[in-house]
Amino acid sequence: QGLLVQSGAEVKKPGASVKVSCKASGYTFTRYGVSWVRQAPGQGLEWLGWIAIYNFKTNYAQKVQGRVTMTADTSTNIAYMELGSLTSDDTAVYYCARTFEYYWYFDLWGRGTQITVSS
Amino acid sequence: QSVLTQPPSVSAAPGQRVTISCSGSSSNIGHNYVSWYQHLPGTAPKLLIYEDNVRPSGIPDRFSGSKSGTSATLGITGLQTGDEADYYCGAWDSNLSAGVFGGGTKVTVL
Repeated sequence: QGLLVQSGAEVKKPGASVKVSCKASGYTFTRYGVSWVRQAPGQGLEWLGWIAIYNFKTNYAQKVQGRVTMTADTSTNIAYMELGSLTSDDTAVYYCARTFEYYWYFDLWGRGTQITVSS
Repeated sequence: QSVLTQPPSVSAAPGQRVTISCSGSSSNIGHNYVSWYQHLPGTAPKLLIYEDNVRPSGIPDRFSGSKSGTSATLGITGLQTGDEADYYCGAWDSNLSAGVFGGGTKVTVL
């Protein structure tokens, strides 16, 4: 069925960057995409973007466009999300999710990575 | 302000039925598939419905999805205390070239 294991929690200063990893196992990595979704305290789910692993095509949410980069390494089955110019508004739990492009749904999720931005 | 609109909360007694609406537009729900997710605090979201009305294996048939025009609905019958959670609809928005979620609906079992 598959498993997504995310990197651990991080605390960052405003203006810094953070890179979160998501290691996939138990399925063919290149057959799906990986989306990144976050939930800020007291807020709902927010889609940040995705990468199609088979051709590395990306789409990013307008809100983080220019600050976010999503990549993937097919030799290690790891997807990455790097977010720069961090502010306190970026404090959230960040999830990676296996993405089925054609029907657009997320059927496998990581457990989340807490990113805290604080001076 | 979410692209997809959901009611903030719904509630019902155990055993009863609730429905959660998700309103969008022609660029998302109107021309693309809708999915639904259950999210309990501190856990990963869980896929409940995809392709508008298909349940993944392991999801009980108490959960159902439907779509008409630019709106979708999640139904939960035989409500249980374990169903207390936040529920989100999601879709692709062709104009934005982005995935979008509803603002989420909190289900309370009275």
